[in-house]
Amino acid sequence: DIFLTQSPLSLPVTPGAPASISCKSSQSLLHTNGFTYLSWYLQRPGKSPQLLIYLGSRRASGVPDRFSASGTGTDFTLRISRVEAEDVGVYYCMQALQTLTFGGGTKVEI
Amino acid sequence: QVQLVQSGAEVQRPGASVKISCKASGFSFTSHPIHWVRRAPGQGLEWMGWINPGNGNTKSSPKFQGRLTISKDTSANTVYMALSGLRSDDTAIYYCARFWAAGEAFDLWGQGSQVTVSA
Repeated sequence: DIFLTQSPLSLPVTPGAPASISCKSSQSLLHTNGFTYLSWYLQRPGKSPQLLIYLGSRRASGVPDRFSASGTGTDFTLRISRVEAEDVGVYYCMQALQTLTFGGGTKVEI
Repeated sequence: QVQLVQSGAEVQRPGASVKISCKASGFSFTSHPIHWVRRAPGQGLEWMGWINPGNGNTKSSPKFQGRLTISKDTSANTVYMALSGLRSDDTAIYYCARFWAAGEAFDLWGQGSQVTVSA
């Protein structure tokens, strides 16, 4: 299995300030087709997860442009340029290169 | 409306079984794999397994081997997840999710079904 390690576990944030979350993979997530099989999700309190980023760095439909993601191979980062109150929740990375696995989650709170 | 609607909360005794439904609407049922993911209290998301509604093929995480059955009713646009031999650590919210092949990601989630295992 591919293991994903997220950090930090908890991230206190200030509205208007930037924030970033790391996701490190035990193996490269670069497929032979050139795409990176990593996605990011936000699970707000009491809600279902929602897709933020797919294929490593592509924003999903309707996701605000304050969210961005980067990384290649085994090291990935999700960034929020200016945190808003609605961004609180638990963020997960997920790999789909092999049997699906999720990172442990990062709780973002104001 | 494109959505996945799941069945309601369940309370079961240890050793019992539970079956949760996930009804798809607004999109072609047979065109997207449907996966099951759970989140136990204080834990992160855990992938359980999936079904291809087009041909019925399934795959489950080895962790649930022998206890997890994923099935479908194409006429009802519904996928089912059955978990047997329930234990207290199966207490969780169970989600179905649509896998978007082009994005290699889950682009649509059900609202979640709470399963509580308690004597």
